[in-house]
Amino acid sequence: GQNIDQPTEMTATEGAIVQINCTYQTSGFNGLFWYQQHAGEAPTFLSYNVLDGLEEKGRFSSFLSRSKGYSYLLLKELQMKDSASYLCAVRASGSARQLTFGSGTQLTVLP
Amino acid sequence: DTGVSQDPRHKITKRGQNVTFRCDPISEHNRLYWYRQTLGQGPEFLTYFQNEAQLEKSRLLSDRFSAERPKGSFSTLEIQRTEQGDSAMYLCASSTDREVETQYFGPGTRLLVL
Repeated sequence: GQNIDQPTEMTATEGAIVQINCTYQTSGFNGLFWYQQHAGEAPTFLSYNVLDGLEEKGRFSSFLSRSKGYSYLLLKELQMKDSASYLCAVRASGSARQLTFGSGTQLTVLP
Repeated sequence: DTGVSQDPRHKITKRGQNVTFRCDPISEHNRLYWYRQTLGQGPEFLTYFQNEAQLEKSRLLSDRFSAERPKGSFSTLEIQRTEQGDSAMYLCASSTDREVETQYFGPGTRLLVL
């Protein structure tokens, strides 16, 4: 089975940096994804890690340590529009490759 | 590319009625996934198609649920004899079948069973 843990809520200030952590336990691993989801909308893809290390994409970076079952999403220069739920998801090994999601971290960016 | 589309966006039905949702994936995406999401939770996998073949179903998918993808393009998800517990957002996602692929989600169909 798969178990994914991430904090339920976080609050940060506009212009600041925030790190959202995700730990996972899986019976098979074939990549870790981060999605952003605004209320009432579909998840939108942010980043993908399959090898250990840091992937940077503009203001967003994602880190993976497979040996520790740990990832984080780093958001820099926070903007009000970054207020959303951030979903950590692990892709299963095997043919289906469905994603198993955590419950999401609701980030609130304050002025 | 217009992205993944879903229809309807919202559905209100009475308990016991049947409902059907449609998903149109990104063209040339041969993998299609259905997920269900309830408030405050992440999406949960329901089922997966590779072209027209349904290759995996979650145990969450009771026998009241059926999904099809007859021509390997659009897909439908039907729920028979709906129950209040079926109220959720039903999300469709599609991807290519390359080794490294990203699933792109549609806007979802929000179902409310009264």
